[in-house]
Amino acid sequence: GQQLNQSPQSMFIQEGEDVSMNCTSSSIFNTWLWYKQDPGEGPVLLIALYKAGELTSNGRLTAQFGITRKDSFLNISASIPSDVGIYFCAGSPYSGAGSYQLTFGKGTKLSVIP
Amino acid sequence: DGGITQSPKYLFRKEGQNVTLSCEQNLNHDAMYWYRQDPGQGLRLIYYSQIVNDFQKGDIAEGYSVSREKKESFPLTVTSAQKNPTAFYLCASSMAGPSNQPQHFGDGTRLSIL
Repeated sequence: GQQLNQSPQSMFIQEGEDVSMNCTSSSIFNTWLWYKQDPGEGPVLLIALYKAGELTSNGRLTAQFGITRKDSFLNISASIPSDVGIYFCAGSPYSGAGSYQLTFGKGTKLSVIP
Repeated sequence: DGGITQSPKYLFRKEGQNVTLSCEQNLNHDAMYWYRQDPGQGLRLIYYSQIVNDFQKGDIAEGYSVSREKKESFPLTVTSAQKNPTAFYLCASSMAGPSNQPQHFGDGTRLSIL
């Protein structure tokens, strides 16, 4: 099946710092999604990307759909304590027939030091 | 409010017992999904359904069963054949159509073995 490599696995940063994380796939994707999960809760959609090269922002979050269609990046600017959580990338592989299956990365656990 | 409701929040299973996890959505979504999440892992797809009375196996369907008798409901049964059922189970839904439809998640059910 499809594989997604998400890095880094975990990050410890000072409040106010910027954060970057990324995902790479073994094959072409036509959709990239970024989710955040708080402990004991379900993932919440942050940003959805549908076109190669697309750059989309949601407040302090910015995500990009890589030109090669095999990677995506998420940046968080000026981190605050409530940014703590696990961030997941998810992708849908290119398929002319359409597919409802998403492949998920293993997550980046973000810790913010006040 | 529109959303996805999973119940119960916590569930305990005895050896040899089948248990059923509930998932209800009032978003009028056609597609529904069940994922399993283990610590430090991404989400793995168990089953998904694109339309009422139809469903497909995901990557790890063995030991699980589902039904889709109503658009709003997609219950998951963890059977006694699933030898390692302890995990966090997440239900999701999305609009039907091409694969680039974001999935929205419930808050999960944590299943443990007694």
